[in-house]
Amino acid sequence: QKEVEQNSGPLSVPEGAIASLNCTYSDRVSQSFFWYRQYSGKSPELIMSIYSNGDKEDGRFTAQLNKASQYVSLLIRDSQPSDSATYLCAASYNTNAGKSTFGDGTTLTVKP
Amino acid sequence: SAVISQKPSRDICQRGTSLTIQCQVDSQVTMMFWYRQQPGQSLTLIATANQGSEATYESGFVIDKFPISRPNLTFSTLTVSNMSPEDSSIYLCSVVGGGDEQYFGPGTRLTVT
Repeated sequence: QKEVEQNSGPLSVPEGAIASLNCTYSDRVSQSFFWYRQYSGKSPELIMSIYSNGDKEDGRFTAQLNKASQYVSLLIRDSQPSDSATYLCAASYNTNAGKSTFGDGTTLTVKP
Repeated sequence: SAVISQKPSRDICQRGTSLTIQCQVDSQVTMMFWYRQQPGQSLTLIATANQGSEATYESGFVIDKFPISRPNLTFSTLTVSNMSPEDSSIYLCSVVGGGDEQYFGPGTRLTVT
């Protein structure tokens, strides 16, 4: 079993819709969770981090964490064609060790 | 967030040769990380490079194949040795922020023929 698993996708939504990306993790000692966006041919860039149970909102993005269910999600409201990218979920297992484990990513396409 | 540069941005190499990738950060950092991203796949951590000590390699990666240098707090190199086509990947260096988030360089796209 992979340590971080994501919906394999691809996911396609119409412009203006809500895109929902899901991630589960296997290690209960995980403390920090991240969503990165990776455009084709580019390196990943951080879009959200979340450390405690509940929701965290930043503009059109909302990250949700449920440690009891070992579940992390990312909601993108009012999806735009520019949101089309691969989204990587990552977990950090040891605070201050700096290492993250990444899921395989979900490719999102937002159709105009 | 740190500004990270990598050289070269891409290269095409023949099997059996070696390539050294450079990573420069605009601020002093304790740890630097080297990741590999094979075509269509996610990121796999190769090693952690700490200044003044040997790099720490992840399972499946060895120093003879991926020697790493870390001469100071802003610079690191990764060498891919005795390359085979299976080494064709994007190689990324990164640094960690205060919340354990990763900041990545632009990557080096390596093709081995």
